Amino acid sequence: DTAVSQTPKYLVTQMGNDKSIKCEQNLGHDTMYWYKQDSKKFLKIMFSYNNKELIINETVPNRFSPKSPDKAHLNLHINSLELGDSAVYFCASSRQGTLDYEQYFGPGTRLTVT
Amino acid sequence: AQSVSQHNHHVILSEAASLELGCNYSYGGTVNLFWYVQYPGQHLQLLLKYFSGDPLVKGIKGFEAEFIKSKFSFNLRKPSVQWSDTAEYFCAVNAHTDKLIFGTGTRLQVFP
Repeated sequence: DTAVSQTPKYLVTQMGNDKSIKCEQNLGHDTMYWYKQDSKKFLKIMFSYNNKELIINETVPNRFSPKSPDKAHLNLHINSLELGDSAVYFCASSRQGTLDYEQYFGPGTRLTVT
Repeated sequence: AQSVSQHNHHVILSEAASLELGCNYSYGGTVNLFWYVQYPGQHLQLLLKYFSGDPLVKGIKGFEAEFIKSKFSFNLRKPSVQWSDTAEYFCAVNAHTDKLIFGTGTRLQVFP
């Protein structure tokens, strides 16, 4: 059973386009996240939502807009794509109230902007 | 602000060699510590975690890590690596919040 899933797995698009990445978790978790992994493999948190409310926003350009229709889904919409947006984007989820805040990651979406 | 340092950026070993990957964090309070592994082309998987109790933590695939509070360290070890351990390894820390801070990763290559 897939725990955290993302679509699409690969996304190739041109500069200036608008695109969305979808994330779904079937773990019953309350909190979901988006991370960006750059070409040097560095992982950095972008956003975190808890029960559909934004709780972490890490100085990401406002071209990036997360949307959480319900606590099992967190989508990422990117406007006016730039070359520097090329990266792998990982979704993750965790259960609120656990002692360790362990996060479970999705398979990633490799975005290439040409 | 919290930060995580992984000083070994690229490690190359032969099969059966022993492995130790360094991880140091900067935060004065109580933390949870994690090691994640990313096999080529795959997502991150949890190897092991520490949040309380015995500072020597055993994880999957024969990995272990030791939390040394006085040194702010959480080094990952494996006594005998295999070719299949070739991957990127990430240390991460959170200070009992949802915000997980990752180190820059260590690329491990194991040659048969």
